[in-house]
Amino acid sequence: AQSVTQLGSHVSVSEGALVLLRCNYSSSVPPYLFWYVQYPNQGLQLLLKYTSAATLVKGINGFEAEFKKSETSFHLTKPSAHMSDAAEYFCAVSANTGNQFYFGTGTSLTVIP
Amino acid sequence: GAVVSQHPSWVICKSGTSVKIECRSLDFQATTMFWYRQFPKQSLMLMATSNEGSKATYEQGVEKDKFLINHASLTLSTLTVTSAHPEDSSFYICSARVTPSGANVLTFGAGSRLTVL
Repeated sequence: AQSVTQLGSHVSVSEGALVLLRCNYSSSVPPYLFWYVQYPNQGLQLLLKYTSAATLVKGINGFEAEFKKSETSFHLTKPSAHMSDAAEYFCAVSANTGNQFYFGTGTSLTVIP
Repeated sequence: GAVVSQHPSWVICKSGTSVKIECRSLDFQATTMFWYRQFPKQSLMLMATSNEGSKATYEQGVEKDKFLINHASLTLSTLTVTSAHPEDSSFYICSARVTPSGANVLTFGAGSRLTVL
């Protein structure tokens, strides 16, 4: 069985500040992990993915995430927030060969000017 | 990269009518597509898995006669909301699994907002 937990349904940061969105996973098999971003009234866009290669994954728009097996975490970070980063962020887990993707409940990021 | 096109983006219909939403994979073939429903400020709820050439697999609690899914080709899956009612109003999102070299990535359509009056 697999699941993800996103701590904090809402996160607010000042423009230029560090962004940290938390995701913890549970998986009985080696997981594939993903972060997706959703802007209002749009579908989900893949930010980055971990597929058992490098544990530090770099994605689009300056985001990165680190897979920590010992902590079962896959937190998303960005050194300096931009106004355009305001959106809903979803963490997801999948088995490496399965069809099923399990999404977290999402974290809404607000960037304060 | 792989693109999933979803149409229409917005649809308003009267209660009791049926609405069809199309999901197309552009530049790649998708033997499997997924349909999600998203309520305001909530996560995605998987409704069903659409398999090309066979019946869709519905998640528990999803009415298969209400939400008809057809996946007649490797690039097109359709979701038909039959006899729609106001409680069916929602944001529906499709996705397709892109598997180059075994990587398991979902690509999403832009979503379809259904409003039933």
